[in-house]
Amino acid sequence: EVQLVESGGGLVQPGGSLRLSCEASGFTFITYYMSWVRQAPGKGLEWLANIKQDGSEKYYVDSVKGRFTISRDNAKSSLYLQLNSLRADDTAVYYCARDGRPAAMDVWGQGTTVTVSS
Amino acid sequence: QSALTQPASVSGSPGQSITISCTGTSSDIGGYNYVSWYQQHPGKAPKLIIYDVSSRSGVSDRFSGSKSGNTASLTISGLQAEDEADYYCSSFTSSSTKVFGTGTRVTVL
Repeated sequence: EVQLVESGGGLVQPGGSLRLSCEASGFTFITYYMSWVRQAPGKGLEWLANIKQDGSEKYYVDSVKGRFTISRDNAKSSLYLQLNSLRADDTAVYYCARDGRPAAMDVWGQGTTVTVSS
Repeated sequence: QSALTQPASVSGSPGQSITISCTGTSSDIGGYNYVSWYQQHPGKAPKLIIYDVSSRSGVSDRFSGSKSGNTASLTISGLQAEDEADYYCSSFTSSSTKVFGTGTRVTVL
């Protein structure tokens, strides 16, 4: 079964950091671009970043450039998102997704919740 | 990168057809045939339903997509109760990033 499982979310204080993980199974991880997408409570989807198969290219939405870093470990079939300098408006469910088609995300995880609050 | 513009809500009766619009710019929708659509039920992860403007991703042929200029559209024909959900468009952009639409709540009356 093709599956993505996120972990690492939790409660963090403003200015703090978190590292989110996404473990892939059921497909050849190294052959796909991978993305992170978030959804604030009651709000819409926001694409955050993606990374090329070998990690050589990374793209970010302007709002997280310099604060969030996407990375991957193909040997572990895992995707990561390092979140730094967290703010209250970073509170959201964070999803990892497979870029199975050009610019289309065809497999999604269940999401991990990040809450930024003092 | 601004979000693509979608109507906040669309409604229809069972069996009817509805269309959701998604308006962007020449730097996203208008510049590429890489528009996708996602369905999201409450508390669930999004599900890809349309990619490359009009290709279905293993869903019913009641769902169809199209594009004209800077505007893409999703049409749901033969509306059913299970179609009640939030729908999001997405496009590849000239910055090699992606952008989602603002989202549309579909209500089956």
